[in-house]
Amino acid sequence: EAQVTQNPRYLITVTGKKLTVTCSQNMNHEYMSWYRQDPGLGLRQIYYSMNVEVTDKGDVPEGYKVSRKEKRNFPLILESPSPNQTSLYFCASSSTLYTEAFFGQGTRLTVV
Amino acid sequence: GENVEQHPSTLSVQEGDSAVIKCTYSDSASNYFPWYKQELGKGPQLIIDIRSNVGEKKDQRIAVTLNKTAKHFSLHITETQPEDSAVYFCAASTMDSSYKLIFGSGTRLLVRP
Repeated sequence: EAQVTQNPRYLITVTGKKLTVTCSQNMNHEYMSWYRQDPGLGLRQIYYSMNVEVTDKGDVPEGYKVSRKEKRNFPLILESPSPNQTSLYFCASSSTLYTEAFFGQGTRLTVV
Repeated sequence: GENVEQHPSTLSVQEGDSAVIKCTYSDSASNYFPWYKQELGKGPQLIIDIRSNVGEKKDQRIAVTLNKTAKHFSLHITETQPEDSAVYFCAASTMDSSYKLIFGSGTRLLVRP
């Protein structure tokens, strides 16, 4: 089954404690991205990757890091989480920017 | 950069009625416009998309129209059903040096039985 898998689904952490949200896709897609969803703001792109070892900033990259060492994986790293990073996060993958994006189930992150 | 505005933020219709959601974009060079549906507790799913060389596209009860001159595109759902209740997002691709999809702020559609 074609899918994008994110883990964990829910996470509560404390300010400053480094965390990683994993994302994996099984469709051999080249394009992957991370979004955060906040009420009234829609989906805002954090980072994206056009292929292995190629990443670039989205619209809200501050406080986040990513890496793309393998085609299937695109982890999101919060080196020092802050309360304003409390949000619902989605990973997505697609063949190109101009084709259907498949989204993961989401990760609800709370930073206290 | 590209900016996408979406209206309305909430929409309530009676089952069987039509629903229309509108989006405007700022970058005249954008050429790909998808619509996503997000059900409660799930990630968004593509329901229909349109490219700039097409003015209208239909898929059963769903249609999308694109007006490149006015830089706006709309989602039309006919004969709405309770299972159409969800949050809908429009998006537009960027054509500058970045390689991104910019999403609208979303429309919460409620179909009353």
